[in-house]
Amino acid sequence: GAVVSQHPSWVICKSGTSVKIECRSLDFQATTMFWYRQFPKQSLMLMATSNEGSKATYEQGVEKDKFLINHASLTLSTLTVTSAHPEDSSFYICSARDSMGGRGQETQYFGPGTRLLVL
Amino acid sequence: DAKTTQPPSMDCAEGRAANLPCNHSTISGNEYVYWYRQIHSQGPQYIIHGLKNNETNEMASLIITEDRKSSTLILPHATLRDTAVYYCIVRFRSGNTPLVFGKGTRLSVIA
Repeated sequence: GAVVSQHPSWVICKSGTSVKIECRSLDFQATTMFWYRQFPKQSLMLMATSNEGSKATYEQGVEKDKFLINHASLTLSTLTVTSAHPEDSSFYICSARDSMGGRGQETQYFGPGTRLLVL
Repeated sequence: DAKTTQPPSMDCAEGRAANLPCNHSTISGNEYVYWYRQIHSQGPQYIIHGLKNNETNEMASLIITEDRKSSTLILPHATLRDTAVYYCIVRFRSGNTPLVFGKGTRLSVIA
């Protein structure tokens, strides 16, 4: 299957700082990427849909000014958590869909996740 | 997207087949059934998907009932590494529609 990478895999930061998480599709192009968040013992929650060359679409309750998403190329999307607070501590997971058609277009591939701890 | 119902947890003996059920009684004709799993502290891993025919790959088999209202994921010879949360998701075949995760089934493979 296709490979999606995330960097960093974990990060610890002080309250009030900003953290950038990168999501890359390594062997396919993705016009659309998705960002999820997962709290302990809970399921994945969709935060936003990231579209290459246009503004992201945020789910209800997700602050777009706090979680900045940039999808500047067909293989890279970034999520920046601005002015992070302890309640932003979570497991952030990105996902991408192969946009080149065929059966692969139907499948959404996930990165390994980034664990954020805000002190 | 149609809602799915899965048992919260299941146990399976190592080496035996694990059969994970999923109900999706409101599924529409254009919706696919997807299965993913999430091993602890990792991103979800794609397993298999199908529309109405049974599907098999190197990881698992997917059996979809004729009326498409339920399906079963079969791991033919479960190993300890198959311990994970398994998610059954129904979704339209649309380029920009994201997967929406329910609570899934926590499968514990026991030695």
